[in-house]
Amino acid sequence: DVKVTQSSRYLVKRTGEKVFLECVQDMDHENMFWYRQDPGLGLRLIYFSYDVKMKEKGDIPEGYSVSREKKERFSLILESASTNQTSMYLCASRFLDSTFGGRKTEAFFGQGTRLTVV
Amino acid sequence: TQLLEQSPQFLSIQEGENLTVYCNSSSVFSSLQWYRQEPGEGPVLLVTVVTGGEVKKLKRLTFQFGDARKDSSLHITAAQPGDTGLYLCAGVGRGGSNYKLTFGKGTLLTVNP
Repeated sequence: DVKVTQSSRYLVKRTGEKVFLECVQDMDHENMFWYRQDPGLGLRLIYFSYDVKMKEKGDIPEGYSVSREKKERFSLILESASTNQTSMYLCASRFLDSTFGGRKTEAFFGQGTRLTVV
Repeated sequence: TQLLEQSPQFLSIQEGENLTVYCNSSSVFSSLQWYRQEPGEGPVLLVTVVTGGEVKKLKRLTFQFGDARKDSSLHITAAQPGDTGLYLCAGVGRGGSNYKLTFGKGTLLTVNP
């Protein structure tokens, strides 16, 4: 079974702190994603990566950065945490099937990190 | 930005009723996926539809991809309390962005016994 592990289930940080959210997958997937989930807003894509050291901005990248130094690990960094970054953060990974150009493959999610910035 | 609009946002029904959830976009996707999420967990894939007009069935759940590959629907027959959860559609980008996965806001379904 594919496993996507997020380092913390719950995290409380102070405004202005630098926050690291870690995500590790064990299935050699090329594609990794960071989303935040807020009530009424669904899952919004922050950043994604399609290979080691490759990253692309999603729909709401402001205030965030990412790092993908190894294939299995994708880190989300909040440079200076603010209260409006209080949210549930979900990491996902996906295999890119070269036959179908990634159209059919499933995204596997971690259990999420509920971050509260006070 | 490719947007996916889901409707309704909330749905509360009695056990045994039928329901349909819609996912619409002005963009064309190479495929569309439906996920279900339970409280405290990440979303889990239910189905992927790839071809325009495609219909897939998963027990009491029927998924359809629009002919133009811009919209999809999920129909549940004789809903059961175990169907309760957040249903999310996700569009897989086309061409060079086929690794991007964009989600709708979700439909929160409650099936009452």
